[in-house]
Amino acid sequence: GQNIDQPTEMTATEGAIVQINCTYQTSGFNGLFWYQQHAGEAPTFLSYNVLDGLEEKGRFSSFLSRSKGYSYLLLKELQMKDSASYLCALVPDSWGKFQFGAGTQVVVTP
Amino acid sequence: EAGVAQSPRYKIIEKRQSVAFWCNPISGHATLYWYQQILGQGPKLLIQFQNNGVVDDSQLPKDRFSAERLKGVDSTLKIQPAKLEDSAVYLCASSYEGQGGSPLHFGNGTRLTVT
Repeated sequence: GQNIDQPTEMTATEGAIVQINCTYQTSGFNGLFWYQQHAGEAPTFLSYNVLDGLEEKGRFSSFLSRSKGYSYLLLKELQMKDSASYLCALVPDSWGKFQFGAGTQVVVTP
Repeated sequence: EAGVAQSPRYKIIEKRQSVAFWCNPISGHATLYWYQQILGQGPKLLIQFQNNGVVDDSQLPKDRFSAERLKGVDSTLKIQPAKLEDSAVYLCASSYEGQGGSPLHFGNGTRLTVT
């Protein structure tokens, strides 16, 4: 596998910024995706990185460094509704086989 | 566009019984996936179809699990006989290209409880 590692849980207050790191051990992959999953619901697509650098989408940004083997998802101006699990996923080859990490549970407190 | 449809939403069965799940992907999506998600873990790929052909079923427990996508559209996943450790959410997902550049779109899943 790709040994995708994410922290289990993070807690932050409303309005703050949280950075969720994702590290992996694989030499090559097509892309790295971030998904949000609220309890009892299906994962929903947030962001996608192919090249190194930062991709910004409103309050959410994702960064990739292939040489350092890590990515992060940055959540700004946290809202209560951002409390969810955030999943990092690698696509290791051209066949679109998504491999998911265990997810990071983000708890937003008032 | 209509999303990925799955049924049933919930299922409770006893061990050694059989169960089947159904999935209808987003129209035009060639690639269909079945994932198993155990509580507290990330989704684990069971099987991936490209149209009606299997791309990857290396993690499918073939002694008890089977899946088909006969006409390249909707798909069924079957478990026979079920074990306690099969209790999980079974997620179906589809993507347009399946080439790694298209995101997965997930259905709401089927929550299976085996007693």
